[in-house]
Amino acid sequence: NAGVTQTPKFRILKIGQSMTLQCAQDMNHNYMYWYRQDPGMGLKLIYYSVGAGITDKGEVPNGYNVSRSTTEDFPLRLELAAPSQTSVYFCASSFPRSGSEKLFFGSGTQLSVL
Amino acid sequence: EDKVVQSPLSLVVHEGDTVTLNCSYEVTNFRSLLWYKQEKKAPTFLFMLTSSGIEKKSGRLSSILDKKELFSILNITATQTGDSAIYLCAVEVSGANNLFFGTGTRLTVIP
Repeated sequence: NAGVTQTPKFRILKIGQSMTLQCAQDMNHNYMYWYRQDPGMGLKLIYYSVGAGITDKGEVPNGYNVSRSTTEDFPLRLELAAPSQTSVYFCASSFPRSGSEKLFFGSGTQLSVL
Repeated sequence: EDKVVQSPLSLVVHEGDTVTLNCSYEVTNFRSLLWYKQEKKAPTFLFMLTSSGIEKKSGRLSSILDKKELFSILNITATQTGDSAIYLCAVEVSGANNLFFGTGTRLTVIP
């Protein structure tokens, strides 16, 4: 009963480093999302995907890239880490749009850029 | 600009108290409103509301939507320490593949 799996759980980066946050789901969901949550704030959408090979920008895409080569995986890439990207990152997935939008979240990645 | 506002930002109550959390929204093409509970990490789904005046209930939690006044409330009766969490409200907009989240209400229940 894995659901949505994110790795790593914690990471510290130096300014200018790059890394990839991994996300995998085993529920055969078409829709996948990346959110960031800053302290005391709600979740902001970074990128989303409605199916393999299809991605689109959310509210705060700058500094990030994504790919969706398979239904299961949706990695998030930070190319040149900046302190403003210090946040908790959540990956989520959902059923195809049928009038019932329920997101299943991963456990999050806490990222610090110093 | 689409906006979701939650109040209060934080709340401290004693076990057994009843609390009401508020969520107001200003969005175009409203589709649904969702409530999530976030304890340590990942938010977990509580309710989805699409129609005005129909209460959704799960144990001690209940929620209702007012589409005319553009708000929803989440009620928790007989609070327990396990209810301590951040409660997030999110609004789904038709034609957009996104949920707009409020900043959340941090509820602390003390014994």
